[in-house]
Amino acid sequence: QVQLRESGPGLVKPSETLSLTCTVSYGSVSSYYWAWIRQPAGKGLEWIGRIYANGNTDYNPSLKSRVTMSIDTSENQFSLKLTSVTAADTAVYYCARENWPFDYWGQGALVTVSS
Amino acid sequence: EIVLTQSPGTLSLSPGERATLSCRASQSVSSRLLAWYQQKPGQAPRLLIYGASNRATGIPDRFSGSGSGTDFTLTISRLEPEDFAVYYCQQYGSSFTFGPGTKVDIK
Repeated sequence: QVQLRESGPGLVKPSETLSLTCTVSYGSVSSYYWAWIRQPAGKGLEWIGRIYANGNTDYNPSLKSRVTMSIDTSENQFSLKLTSVTAADTAVYYCARENWPFDYWGQGALVTVSS
Repeated sequence: EIVLTQSPGTLSLSPGERATLSCRASQSVSSRLLAWYQQKPGQAPRLLIYGASNRATGIPDRFSGSGSGTDFTLTISRLEPEDFAVYYCQQYGSSFTFGPGTKVDIK
C-alpha cells in the first residue's frame, strides 16, 4: 500500500522559507494529484495546494503568493516551499495523495517558526 | 469558498451508543463530493467516507454517511472504544475545504 513520508527542517526562522519534501513508496507520483495540508496544534486542517506529475499546480488563494510546489518523478518525490514564514505558519504539515478525496497521508512533520 | 460548519463541537457518548455528526455547507456541494475523516491524537487523518456515502477501503460498516446539497451526516451506529476521536468533513467539489471538526469523547 502507498506510503508517504515528509522530511525537512523542524525549525524555521521568521521571514525565512519553509521547505519540505514528501517521498512516496509503493506508488508512483506519475499518477494522481499530490497535496500538502497543514494543521496548527489543536486546530483544524487547511489545504495548502496540489501538484500533478506534469507540474500543474493549484494553490489555496490565501497562501498562493507564498507557496511553490514541485515534483521529481525520477525520485518519486514532491516538495513544498513556503516563503516569508511567521509564527502563524507553525503547524504539522501533511502530504497526501489526492484520489478524490485524500486517501493516503504521511504521518506529518511538525514545523515550528521561531527565532 | 465553500465554508463547512460541523455540529456539535463535542459529543459525549458511551460505548455502544449511536453517534450522529452533522456537516453543513455554505453552498451546495456538487455531486455530493463530501468526505469524512477520523483523526486520533498524534495521527494523520484517516479517510472514512467519500462521495457522501461510500465507505473507504477497510472501514467497518458501523460507519455510514448520508446527505446531499448543503446538509450531510456521519453516523456511527454503535460506538466502539477505538471510535473516540475527532471527525472532520471535507468538500472537494470546489477546491478543498475542511470543517472545524467534531470531537467524540467518552461520557
